Amino acid sequence: QKEVEQNSGPLSVPEGAIASLNCTYSDRGSQSFFWYRQYSGKSPELIMFIYSNGDKEDGRFTAQLNKASQYVSLLIRDSQPSDSATYLCAVKPGGTSYGKLTFGQGTILTVHP
Amino acid sequence: DTGVSQDPRHKITKRGQNVTFRCDPISEHNRLYWYRQTLGQGPEFLTYFQNEAQLEKSRLLSDRFSAERPKGSFSTLEIQRTEQGDSAMYLCASSLRDSLNSPLHFGNGTRLTVT
Repeated sequence: QKEVEQNSGPLSVPEGAIASLNCTYSDRGSQSFFWYRQYSGKSPELIMFIYSNGDKEDGRFTAQLNKASQYVSLLIRDSQPSDSATYLCAVKPGGTSYGKLTFGQGTILTVHP
Repeated sequence: DTGVSQDPRHKITKRGQNVTFRCDPISEHNRLYWYRQTLGQGPEFLTYFQNEAQLEKSRLLSDRFSAERPKGSFSTLEIQRTEQGDSAMYLCASSLRDSLNSPLHFGNGTRLTVT
């Protein structure tokens, strides 16, 4: 079992729709969770992080965390073509992790006009 | 704050040659990470420095890979006797401290192609 798994893509949604990206993790002691966006040929850029159970909203983005189910998701409301990118879920493991993040394989999102 | 800087942006080398990449982290960040990313995959952890000390190295990292961070500032990643399987994007990231909400800030990466 991979440490961090993301729902297989690619995911295609129409402009204005809600895009839902999912991620599960294997380490029950994981502390915090990050969503990065990566445009083709570019480096990952941070969208948001979450470390408490529940929802966290930032503009059009909402992160949801359920530690009991070891599940984290990202919702993008009012999707725009500029949101088309690969979305990476990253997890900070429990224990002595030195702050490193473990990444999922990414989900490609395409928002079509 | 000029962000994390990596050099070169692209490197093409022949199999068997040695290559060295440089990373300059955000100035006040004492933590520095190297990751490798291949097409269709997420970044894969290679190694980590806190100041000048290399505190962790991935089991996946062969002896051909070595990293340094002299004086706790910039870092170099050297790959000796490159192989075609080393072709990837090498990403450097830095962070300020280890807390629940301290993210990694990535540089633009060095794309290595081994022919």
